[in-house]
Amino acid sequence: DQQVKQNSPSLSVQEGRISILNCDYTNSMFDYFLWYKKYPAEGPTFLISISSIKDKNEDGRFTVFLNKSAKHLSLHIVPSQPGDSAVYFCAASADGGSGNTGKLIFGQGTTLQVKP
Amino acid sequence: GAGVSQSPSNKVTEKGKDVELRCDPISGHTALYWYRQSLGQGLEFLIYFQGNSAPDKSGLPSDRFSAERTGGSVSTLTIQRTQQEDSAVYLCASSLDRQGSGIYGYTFGSGTRLTVV
Repeated sequence: DQQVKQNSPSLSVQEGRISILNCDYTNSMFDYFLWYKKYPAEGPTFLISISSIKDKNEDGRFTVFLNKSAKHLSLHIVPSQPGDSAVYFCAASADGGSGNTGKLIFGQGTTLQVKP
Repeated sequence: GAGVSQSPSNKVTEKGKDVELRCDPISGHTALYWYRQSLGQGLEFLIYFQGNSAPDKSGLPSDRFSAERTGGSVSTLTIQRTQQEDSAVYLCASSLDRQGSGIYGYTFGSGTRLTVV
């Protein structure tokens, strides 16, 4: 039962263009969504998050969009740089409420390659 | 320490042997999580610690897997009688508290790559 899905295993874009990474989820109780970036032989690093009460959050070149009705979020990277080449994971949290553990549910990841 | 430290970074073991993986979280972080990433898969939650107790062990795949945390700090994940399907990268993460994990995320270690032959 995959609650968070990233249906594209890989994406290749040209340097300077926009990268759009997509993520779908099934659990309407999720109230925070996050993106992580992972380089080989390193742990994932937190990139950006969004609360379910918002539809957009921006941090520099990175913007996350949330469409609650479609249970879909996306990460936009503009402009893309070769150093952005990595595996990107989306994750979701049911962070509110008593007894919550802060557990994050991760998607399978999308490998982004940015070509110079 | 400055980050989450995991050891060993790589471990090759024979099927049937026991292994212990260690995680040293960021000092002062009360919440600690273990995940694993099998080849071509996402990060799979294993267990969550708040202090020394483990209120959520729901992700442990079988009773061959166990974990403990002592002194609210270092955690060890033990896999008994390892099987080939246990081969994966085991990742540890910590956060200041479970609240806010959705906003700020966790800090992950670099992981232990376990290969069972």
